[in-house]
Amino acid sequence: KAGVTQTPRYLIKTRGQQVTLSCSPISGHRSVSWYQQTPGQGLQFLFEYFSETQRNKGNFPGRFSGRQFSNSRSEMNVSTLELGDSALYLCASSGGAPAYEQYFGPGTRLTVT
Amino acid sequence: QQQVKQSPQSLIVQKGGISIINCAYENTAFDYFPWYQQFPGKGPALLIAIRPDVSEKKEGRFTISFNKSAKQFSLHIMDSQPGDSATYFCAARTLYSGGSNYKLTFGKGTLLTVNP
Repeated sequence: KAGVTQTPRYLIKTRGQQVTLSCSPISGHRSVSWYQQTPGQGLQFLFEYFSETQRNKGNFPGRFSGRQFSNSRSEMNVSTLELGDSALYLCASSGGAPAYEQYFGPGTRLTVT
Repeated sequence: QQQVKQSPQSLIVQKGGISIINCAYENTAFDYFPWYQQFPGKGPALLIAIRPDVSEKKEGRFTISFNKSAKQFSLHIMDSQPGDSATYFCAARTLYSGGSNYKLTFGKGTLLTVNP
């Protein structure tokens, strides 16, 4: 079974621009979660989508948004980029209960200049 | 508010030694505790996990010890190898408030270096 894939792997953007990141979950998984990883804050939960609906959301500003398509693929968008948005953005897919193991993709490294 | 506290932030161990990483939590609603391993340039990968009704779980050289009364759990890596050098995250699972689905809360990670 193929793992979680994320594209692109690296991005360099300028402050004020917007960016869209993509995630394809493991086949059959319907839950997709997004995390921001930085050296200072560690792994911070952004949001989770299940069957095209945002099920849960972390404490991030409205500039961070996402969506999920009928094939479970998900996109994450960040508008009006700030320097502090530079991070590794990780997508994780899950087949759901009972254990809710999450399987992570390799991440997209976003650098905002 | 950090709900899962992980220590140490970094750890250096000699090859063949034992690496020990500790995590503590406050929320008694946590009901599942996985550990993740992350190599540079990769996403975290599930390593081993434990439920609170078990005090210890072993898989190969990796062991989780769980102390429910103290609300602490730890990862032990026996016979540590240079290939184990990575960042390790503990996590804890709970139900979302009022919901029927789960969320994972992660510790801040431990950078393990195993010297040859």
